[in-house]
Amino acid sequence: GQNIDQPTEMTATEGAIVQINCTYQTSGFNGLFWYQQHAGEAPTFLSYNVLDGLEEKGRFSSFLSRSKGYSYLLLKELQMKDSASYLCAVRPDTGFQKLVFGTGTRLLVSP
Amino acid sequence: DTAVSQTPKYLVTQMGNDKSIKCEQNLGHDTMYWYKQDSKKFLKIMFSYNNKELIINETVPNRFSPKSPDKAHLNLHINSLELGDSAVYFCASKTHDGETQYFGPGTRLLVL
Repeated sequence: GQNIDQPTEMTATEGAIVQINCTYQTSGFNGLFWYQQHAGEAPTFLSYNVLDGLEEKGRFSSFLSRSKGYSYLLLKELQMKDSASYLCAVRPDTGFQKLVFGTGTRLLVSP
Repeated sequence: DTAVSQTPKYLVTQMGNDKSIKCEQNLGHDTMYWYKQDSKKFLKIMFSYNNKELIINETVPNRFSPKSPDKAHLNLHINSLELGDSAVYFCASKTHDGETQYFGPGTRLLVL
C-alpha cells in the first residue's frame, strides 16, 4: 500500500521560517516531489529529491532521508503569497511514473 | 501561451447525465494524466496515457472512460454521473523521461 502523511495545517508569521514534514511508506521509491497549490488553482512544481540530502532553490529547500522515509520542505523569509497548500508526492516506481500524493498541508502566513 | 489547458473550467450537471472534459497540452509531452481532487483536497491519480496508449488505470469505475485522439489531447468522458463524482479534475502532462508533471487549471465538476 501507499501511505503519505503530512500535517493538515500550519500557521506562521511573515518573515519567519517554516518546516513542513512528510513521512511516507510506499511499495517502492523513485523520487519525492513537493508541489504548491494556491486556493482554486493548479498544483505547481517546487522541488524534487531522489537522493538523500538537501536541495536548495532560493527561499525553498527540500530534504530527503530515504532510510527514514522522511522529507521536509523548508520555507524561509515567509511572504504572504506563500499562504497555500503544500503537497508531498512520492513516485513509487520507475515504470509508469505515477505520483502518489499526501493530503497536503495548508499553510497560513499572517502579517 | 497556455501550457496545459482544460475545458470547461466549471461544470454543473444533474445526476445520471453524461459529460466530457477535455485537456490539451502544447508542450510536446508524451505522457498525460487525469487526477481527481476531492473536497478534502486529496489529489489521486485516475489514468495515464503515454503516446495515446493507456498505461495507468487506478481502479476507477468504468463509468469513466479516457480517450487520447493524439498525444497532445486527453479527454475524460463520464457516464451516469453520481453525486460522489463532484470534485476538481486536473489534467497533467510530462515528457516520458522527465521529472516534472505540469498541471492544467482544473475542471470543477458539481453533480446535483
